[in-house]
Amino acid sequence: KNEVEQSPQNLTAQEGEFITINCSYSVGISALHWLQQHPGGGIVSLFMLSSGKKKHGRLIATINIQEKHSSLHITASHPRDSAVYICAVNTGNQFYFGTGTSLTVIP
Amino acid sequence: NAGVTQTPKFQVLKTGQSMTLQCAQDMNHEYMSWYRQDPGMGLRLIHYSVGAGITDQGEVPNGYNVSRSTTEDFPLRLLSAAPSQTSVYFCASSYFRQGTEAFFGQGTRLTVV
Repeated sequence: KNEVEQSPQNLTAQEGEFITINCSYSVGISALHWLQQHPGGGIVSLFMLSSGKKKHGRLIATINIQEKHSSLHITASHPRDSAVYICAVNTGNQFYFGTGTSLTVIP
Repeated sequence: NAGVTQTPKFQVLKTGQSMTLQCAQDMNHEYMSWYRQDPGMGLRLIHYSVGAGITDQGEVPNGYNVSRSTTEDFPLRLLSAAPSQTSVYFCASSYFRQGTEAFFGQGTRLTVV
């Protein structure tokens, strides 16, 4: 049983395209996190959400608590956005992680 | 990730060897945890701690030991390494409050041969 499901698993986009990554979860949460992991690199927190929407540069994250769903959008994608994006939920006791979406942006 | 220091970054072990992965944070976080990341799977919780002197098992604890003698440090010990423990390991810390941000170490790529 996966508490967090992400889609798609893999995504290839042309530079400049608008990208959406989806996350659904099945547990009660106190917050949802979007994380970024570059190849061979560590994990960086992009957003922490408990409601509504957040924007940071070209990245936008939204969450619908009632539907237990979140989306991460990247506007005007760039090759440096190529990474694995991981959705994680905090239940208050622990984190559960999705398997990640591997994004490749082609110049 | 300046607040969580995880070492080493790479390690190769022979089957049966033991080693300790170090994790330290300077943010006074109560909650620290260890995860392993394997291909096609999300990060899985090995052990966690909600404060000094308190540890508990996660989803995949077998073959690993932890201790939390101070708030800052949370080492992960592999008692007798097995090839199935080949993985990338991440340490994370956060405040033990609802809706707080988690900080991750840089990861340790461990290979057991």
